[in-house]
Amino acid sequence: GENVEQHPSTLSVQEGDSAVIKCTYSDSASNYFPWYKQELGKRPQLIIDIRSNVGEKKDQRIAVTLNKTAKHFSLHITETQPEDSAVYFCAGDKWDFGNEKLTFGTGTRLTIIP
Amino acid sequence: DGGITQSPKYLFRKEGQNVTLSCEQNLNHDAMYWYRQDPGQGLRLIYYSQIVNDFQKGDIAEGYSVSREKKESFPLTVTSAQKNPTAFYLCASIRTGANTEAFFGQGTRLTVV
Repeated sequence: GENVEQHPSTLSVQEGDSAVIKCTYSDSASNYFPWYKQELGKRPQLIIDIRSNVGEKKDQRIAVTLNKTAKHFSLHITETQPEDSAVYFCAGDKWDFGNEKLTFGTGTRLTIIP
Repeated sequence: DGGITQSPKYLFRKEGQNVTLSCEQNLNHDAMYWYRQDPGQGLRLIYYSQIVNDFQKGDIAEGYSVSREKKESFPLTVTSAQKNPTAFYLCASIRTGANTEAFFGQGTRLTVV
């Protein structure tokens, strides 16, 4: 089955600097890669996603890049702000014998230092 | 909030007892998932269901059971066979297709006492 690895597990960044979180996946059939943000005490929520036919996608201060050949994708947050502090999860998704299966990484706890 | 509701928010269980966690959604989604969240281990898939009366084991299904008798409901039973049941459990309803998105419940924190 799919295995999604995520690094680093914790990341501290000075406010205003950039943060990068990286994920690798094992199944070349995976074709959809979302990122979720979980603030303290809250449920995970989708912040950005990318499909396998696209190499990069941006949404304001957030961007995701995908390298299909290397089977890795990354989340980039620029001009970080205190409200970016949260746990971030990457995920890989593919159809598995007619079943869609969303597999998450282990999470990255991002702390923005004021 | 988000159309998916988990209950209860906190649950205490004595060792050796089965306990059922509730998950209900009104989003008309076919797919529903159960994840377990432990510190440093991310979201691990327990069971998932793509359609009523059908479900598949995830990566850590041992000691758990589910049912999917209605589209809106996907309850998870933590049985006495689960050796380390204390954890935070998240249910998700998945909108599939061109814009796949998981909508999570607020979670249930289960503590075995």
